[in-house]
Amino acid sequence: QVQLQESGPGLVKPSETLSLTCAVSGYSISSGYSWGWIRQPPGEGLEWIGSISHSGSTDYNPSLKSRVTISVDTSKNQFSLKLSSVTAADTAVYYCARDGGSSRGFDYWGQGTLVTVSS
Amino acid sequence: SYVLTQPPSVSVAPGKTARITCGGNNIGFKSVHWYQQKPGQAPVLVIYDESDRPSGIPERFSGSNSVNTATLTISRVEAGDEADYYCQVWDSSSDHWVFGGGTKLTVL
Repeated sequence: QVQLQESGPGLVKPSETLSLTCAVSGYSISSGYSWGWIRQPPGEGLEWIGSISHSGSTDYNPSLKSRVTISVDTSKNQFSLKLSSVTAADTAVYYCARDGGSSRGFDYWGQGTLVTVSS
Repeated sequence: SYVLTQPPSVSVAPGKTARITCGGNNIGFKSVHWYQQKPGQAPVLVIYDESDRPSGIPERFSGSNSVNTATLTISRVEAGDEADYYCQVWDSSSDHWVFGGGTKLTVL
């Protein structure tokens, strides 16, 4: 069974960089698929942040592209998100998920982690 | 950019059929996915590629897609189906995923 687990600080100061890691178990990232980040502000809908393939190629949401970096570490079977210059608008639950591609969607999700941007 | 439009809310009585729509320009040519999200939980994929069900999803959940509207149909609705539902497509013109705004399903 594929399992994903997000980790990282729950509180980030404005203008700083949000950093999260998603540890994957039950499946080797290097075997295939892409891996994505999705966020959900409190009381709002889902917003895709970006995805990275097992080989390291990335796609980002155009609205966040200038601030987002997603990377993969196959040796640790994990991938990471960095979002720079955060503001209160970046406060959200951040999910990582396995990206099955255009015909399969996101089939496995982490439980999510709340990140609050506040001084 | 590509936009998906969902009704904010749908209400249905137990045992009846719920239909949740997802509108988009020529969405009939895209592969549509649907997610169920209960309060405090991560989304769960319930339909992928317009009408396929992942393992473990009841047959009561089905999907269809036509021209400018995709539809998630839930038959014989149960209290446990009460949740937010999101549609999703891949926008190949700009290489990014798009989610609909979500529909809150209320079981009366």
